[in-house]
Amino acid sequence: GNSVTQMEGPVTLSEEAFLTINCTYTATGYPSLFWYVQYPGEGLQLLLKATKADDKGSNKGFEATYRKETTSFHLEKGSVQVSDSAVYFCALNTNSGNTPLVFGKGTRLSVIA
Amino acid sequence: GAGVSQTPSNKVTEKGKYVELRCDPISGHTALYWYRQSLGQGPEFLIYFQGTGAADDSGLPNDRFFAVRPEGSVSTLKIQRTERGDSAVYLCASSQMGQGYGYTFGSGTRLTVV
Repeated sequence: GNSVTQMEGPVTLSEEAFLTINCTYTATGYPSLFWYVQYPGEGLQLLLKATKADDKGSNKGFEATYRKETTSFHLEKGSVQVSDSAVYFCALNTNSGNTPLVFGKGTRLSVIA
Repeated sequence: GAGVSQTPSNKVTEKGKYVELRCDPISGHTALYWYRQSLGQGPEFLIYFQGTGAADDSGLPNDRFFAVRPEGSVSTLKIQRTERGDSAVYLCASSQMGQGYGYTFGSGTRLTVV
């Protein structure tokens, strides 16, 4: 079946530090990959996505590249800000019957000034 | 509407009672999804509608849970004989059809069973 594994948090960084949150997946078929973000007190928001191998999704300074050879979709940002403090979820779906999104457990990021 | 609307935002109920949670999706989105999120966990899939029909209800934990979408727009998640373990945030999302479309989530309903 489909599954997503992401690094456990919490992750605590100083402002302007480099961020990597690892995500690997197992999927049947050809998955589309997503990162969602949940800011404190708010709902889940789509951060970025990639729909085929070697695609790079990017938004708000965050990037993730769809690596089929390593079944990974790691989230990166070159310089984090306090406002990036949130919980980040990696997710996938496949073209096998339009399956619903499968989420990882989430990684909590805290950025301190 | 402009976004996915879920009501109520909070619901406290006594063990054994019946509850209904409502979701109003984005206009024109044919797919509607219900998820459940427990503290410290990722969203867990419950059921998915394509139009009026439940295309996949494999995530419903047991027969106390049921959902409907009679006119292909608003959906109601119904929980009978609530248990304390049902306490969670219930999330609704809608999307256009197709694998590469992301979902738009509502703010969720926080259900607490006491």
